[in-house]
Amino acid sequence: SQTIHQWPATLVQPVGSPLSLECTVEGTSNPNLYWYRQAAGRGLQLLFYSVGIGQISSEVPQNLSASRPQDRQFILSSKKLLLSDSGFYLCAWSVGTTNTEAFFGQGTRLTVV
Amino acid sequence: AQSVSQHNHHVILSEAASLELGCNYSYGGTVNLFWYVQYPGQHLQLLLKYFSGDPLVKGIKGFEAEFIKSKFSFNLRKPSVQWSDTAEYFCASRRGQNFVFGPGTRLSVLP
Repeated sequence: SQTIHQWPATLVQPVGSPLSLECTVEGTSNPNLYWYRQAAGRGLQLLFYSVGIGQISSEVPQNLSASRPQDRQFILSSKKLLLSDSGFYLCAWSVGTTNTEAFFGQGTRLTVV
Repeated sequence: AQSVSQHNHHVILSEAASLELGCNYSYGGTVNLFWYVQYPGQHLQLLLKYFSGDPLVKGIKGFEAEFIKSKFSFNLRKPSVQWSDTAEYFCASRRGQNFVFGPGTRLSVLP
């Protein structure tokens, strides 16, 4: 069966420090991969998605970037964190282009201090 | 652009009350529609999904949703809620690779 791993679960980082959140999927090949940010009252905001290795689409311009170095690995990064980057980040995966759902990781609570 | 709206930000019900959470989507073509639930401290889980066919779909834990194409709606229902249904509920649509989520509705069920 397929599983998704996301780490760390919580992270406290100072302003200006770098960020690297990692997400890996097991049990499937060539998944679509997603990074979302969840904010209270605003639901899930799609940040990046990827349909293949090295292919990244950015939905919202921001201080973050994403990379997909391997088929089932998706990394969310920042060179210098801002206070406004605090939030709950979710990784998700799906397959194909229709008639399947997205599966979510446990999320990372990032606090920038 | 594709968008999803949810009618209620916070709903408070007593146990055994009936529930209906509204959801509207903007895209007029073929869509996949979903309801996800996030229980306190847990990850997002799929409640139910609609791809095609019978517009009334059954999900887990007694939930159901009705797809009404003419109204661009996909409302979630449950005839009798329990305290354990306290959670945040998200409606979502899929077009191609993209999943778009509504802002969520927080449901509080009073024992």
